[in-house]
Amino acid sequence: QLQLQESGPGLVKPSETLSLTCTVSGGSISSSSYYWGWIRQPPGKGLEWIGSIYYSGSTYYNPSLKSRVTISVDTSKNQFSLKLSSVTAADTAVYYCAQILRTVVAVDYWGQGTLVTVSS
Amino acid sequence: QSVLTQPPSASGTPGQRVTISCSGSSSNIGSNTVNWYQQLPGTAPKLLIYSNNQRPSGVPDRFSGSKSGTSASLAISGLQSEDEADYYCAAWDDSLNAVVFGGGTKLTVL
Repeated sequence: QLQLQESGPGLVKPSETLSLTCTVSGGSISSSSYYWGWIRQPPGKGLEWIGSIYYSGSTYYNPSLKSRVTISVDTSKNQFSLKLSSVTAADTAVYYCAQILRTVVAVDYWGQGTLVTVSS
Repeated sequence: QSVLTQPPSASGTPGQRVTISCSGSSSNIGSNTVNWYQQLPGTAPKLLIYSNNQRPSGVPDRFSGSKSGTSASLAISGLQSEDEADYYCAAWDDSLNAVVFGGGTKLTVL
C-alpha cells in the first residue's frame, strides 16, 4: 500500500521560504507511470494545484506561483520536495503531496496533508 | 476565482439522485479528461472518478461521471448520508500547462 508523508515546519515567517518534503513508501518514485505533485488548500477554501515533477526531473508549475516555486526529486531517498519563496499570509494552507497517474493526470494517492501557517 | 466552474452547493434527500456540474473551456475540459474528487470533512481528497467516467477500485457504482464538450457532470444515485462532502472537478489545461480545479461543491444530505 502506497503511503505519502509530508514533513516540514508548520510555521514560516513572512518573506521567508516554505520548505516541505514528501517521503514515498510502498512504491518507487522512479516509476514511469506517475508524476509527483503538490496541492494546497487554504483554510475553508478549495484546492489549488502547485506543481508536479517526473522522476527524471521535468516539472510543471502553476503559472500563478511559478516565479516562487521549486519542486525537486531525490530518487535515492524516494522523496520529493517543495520550496515556495517570499511567502505571505495568503500562502497559509494545508499542503498535500500526491502521486499522479501520468496517463490521465489524476491524483490516486494523497498524503494526509500538513498545515503551514505564515505568521511572524 | 477558479478556472473550472462548479455550483457552490447542492443537496438531496437519502435515496435521491443528485448531479454536480463542472464547466470549463476548450483548453481544459474541451480537450482533456475530467477527474472528480470527494473530500470528507477533515480528510484529504479521494479520487472518485477519473478519465471522465471511470471509477477506481472500491468506489461504489452509485457514482458516475460524464463529459460533453466543455462541461462535465458527476451524478450520485441512491444518495446516502455518508456522501455528504465537498466534491471537486479537475482537468489538465493546455494553455496553462497545469491542472485546474473547480471551486468545489458542498453536498448536503438533508
